[in-house]
Amino acid sequence: GAVVSQHPSRVICKSGTSVKIECRSLDFQATTMFWYRQFPKQSLMLMATSNEGSKATYEQGVEKDKFLINHASLTLSTLTVTSAHPEDSSFYICSATSGIAYEQYFGPGTRLTVT
Amino acid sequence: DQQVKQNSPSLSVQEGRISILNCDYTNSMFDYFLWYKKYPAEGPTFLISISSIKDKNEDGRFTVFLNKSAKHLSLHIVPSQPGDSAVYFCAAAYNNNDMRFGAGTRLTVKP
Repeated sequence: GAVVSQHPSRVICKSGTSVKIECRSLDFQATTMFWYRQFPKQSLMLMATSNEGSKATYEQGVEKDKFLINHASLTLSTLTVTSAHPEDSSFYICSATSGIAYEQYFGPGTRLTVT
Repeated sequence: DQQVKQNSPSLSVQEGRISILNCDYTNSMFDYFLWYKKYPAEGPTFLISISSIKDKNEDGRFTVFLNKSAKHLSLHIVPSQPGDSAVYFCAAAYNNNDMRFGAGTRLTVKP
C-alpha cells in the first residue's frame, strides 16, 4: 500500500521557537495533503488542506500565520509551528491522497512538546 | 459542530467474542464512510469502508453495517483477538471532500 512518512517522529522545543514537520509520500504523488491535530483522548481535528503548488486552506479557528503549510512538490508538505507555546503541544498527523479524499494514507504522526 | 459521533469512549470484549463499535452522524450529505484503527503514537491505518449505496461490507473478520435512515454505522469484529486492541475511528465524507472523524472508541480485547 501507499506509504506516508513524517519527520521528526518526536520533537521537544522551547517556547517561542519554531518547529518544522515534514510529510512525504514515498511511493505515490500526493496532489493533496491534509494536516490533523490530535489532543489526548480526542478526535483527529483537521487543521488544513494543501494542494501542490497552491495555498493551503485552513479550517475555521486555525491560525494560518501560526501554522505555516507549504506543499512545494507532489511528494512533500511541511507544517511549521511558529513561535510555539506549550498549548501547541500535541500529536500532529499528516495524510496524503493522489486525488480521492476518501483514500487518504496517514503518516505515523509527530509528537510535539513545547516546554 | 461534531458531525460524526462515537458515543462510547471505550469497549472491553473477551477474546473470541464479537466486538461492535458504533458511530452516528448528523450530515445526510455524507456518502462514504470509513473505519480506521490507531495504535498509540502512530497514524491511523485504514480498516474498511462503505459507500452510502450499500448497507453492508465485509472483509474477513471485519464487517461494516450502514443504516442510512438512522444515520448510524457499526463495525463488527468477529472473532475478536487481543491484537485488535486499539482505538477505532469512524470517518465520513461527501463529494470527495475532506473527512470528518469521530472521537474514537478504545477497544480492549482480553485474552
